[in-house]
Amino acid sequence: DGGITQSPKYLFRKEGQNVTLSCEQNLNHDAMYWYRQDPGQGLRLIYYSQIVNDFQKGDIAEGYSVSREKKESFPLTVTSAQKNPTAFYLCASSTPPTEEQYFGPGTRLTVT
Amino acid sequence: GENVEQHPSTLSVQEGDSAVIKCTYSDSASNYFPWYKQELGKRPQLIIDIRSNVGEKKDQRIAVTLNKTAKHFSLHITETQPEDSAVYFCAARFYKLIFGSGTRLLVRP
Repeated sequence: DGGITQSPKYLFRKEGQNVTLSCEQNLNHDAMYWYRQDPGQGLRLIYYSQIVNDFQKGDIAEGYSVSREKKESFPLTVTSAQKNPTAFYLCASSTPPTEEQYFGPGTRLTVT
Repeated sequence: GENVEQHPSTLSVQEGDSAVIKCTYSDSASNYFPWYKQELGKRPQLIIDIRSNVGEKKDQRIAVTLNKTAKHFSLHITETQPEDSAVYFCAARFYKLIFGSGTRLLVRP
């Protein structure tokens, strides 16, 4: 199913709690990405990583953190500092020379 | 900053008609323009892409055109079918992908 997985599919948290979303890929892709999708909006880039142990902020990084200790894994932590964390989160990966980004199935996070 | 504008936000067509979705990008250095289809509750999937050295690309009922001078690119779907109903996103890339806000396409049987 595309070789990129996200877990869990649905996640519920109380306000003020940090939560970590998992993203794993077995495509041997170098680059990985996290996007946030809100209803009626496009995908907004949170963080991306082009190689292991390196990552860059995207357009909406505030309140989020990531790590890239392994090529296969790029977990995203939604911290309590994120003002409006309820959203659909998509992870993606890609590798040169193709520029196609392969998306995971997404995690729908609800914070109440 | 970099921006991609996508129009229309919703599009309803009769089965068999054509559908056209248009995007405009701001960064003239953008060199890669993919289109993604996202069905309800599912992941976006690439349906076609074009690079800046090509003006048009076609894949069966789907085609994309690029006008670098005007910084416009468009998705054309011919002979639409109900299964084409989905949200379509355009994107433009220089060093990272910037997505449009999406077009919800409804194909009426």
